[in-house]
Amino acid sequence: DQQVKQNSPSLSVQEGRISILNCDYTNSMFDYFLWYKKYPAEGPTFLISISSIKDKNEDGRFTVFLNKSAKHLSLHIVPSQPGDSAVYFCAAKGDDYKLSFGAGTTVTVRA
Amino acid sequence: EAGVAQSPRYKIIEKRQSVAFWCNPISGHATLYWYQQILGQGPKLLIQFQNNGVVDDSQLPKDRFSAERLKGVDSTLKIQPAKLEDSAVYLCASSSSRDGYNSPLHFGNGTRLTVT
Repeated sequence: DQQVKQNSPSLSVQEGRISILNCDYTNSMFDYFLWYKKYPAEGPTFLISISSIKDKNEDGRFTVFLNKSAKHLSLHIVPSQPGDSAVYFCAAKGDDYKLSFGAGTTVTVRA
Repeated sequence: EAGVAQSPRYKIIEKRQSVAFWCNPISGHATLYWYQQILGQGPKLLIQFQNNGVVDDSQLPKDRFSAERLKGVDSTLKIQPAKLEDSAVYLCASSSSRDGYNSPLHFGNGTRLTVT
């Protein structure tokens, strides 16, 4: 069962514009959420996280928003840069500490 | 700091053969994970070690997969015999904390396995 869903497999955005990646989850016990970024032939690297006690966390060009009632989170990248072209994974964990990943969204930033 | 090291990078085997993957975590990281990532899917946890003890292996197909971390540092993951559906990227990750809340997972570059 897929507890973390990224329903958009791909996203194309122009350089300088905003990228918005969405993620939905089904497990109400999840209390910590992370975004990982993955380049081809490399492992995922940690990007940003948010605890369920917050609804927003910002780190430079990256902001994650959490809507617990909707079981939805999103990642905003502003402004998008060519180096942001990668696969982005949403992940979530609960009190069992297991990390559940979504299937990923491939972002392509056009010059 | 040096990252998580994995070898080999690529492996092609025939079904029913055996294969082993090696992982060296970041120095000092007590928690080590093996993930399987099938094309088009997110990583799926196979096994988690805390030092040299198994914390979670509930999703490890134990009839064909085995893993060990004998001295609490390096780890090996073995598949015997391999099936076609084992074709995937096998990712090793490590963390300095067991729960990962204050120390996100650091991943290696993975081993891409193709079973023909």
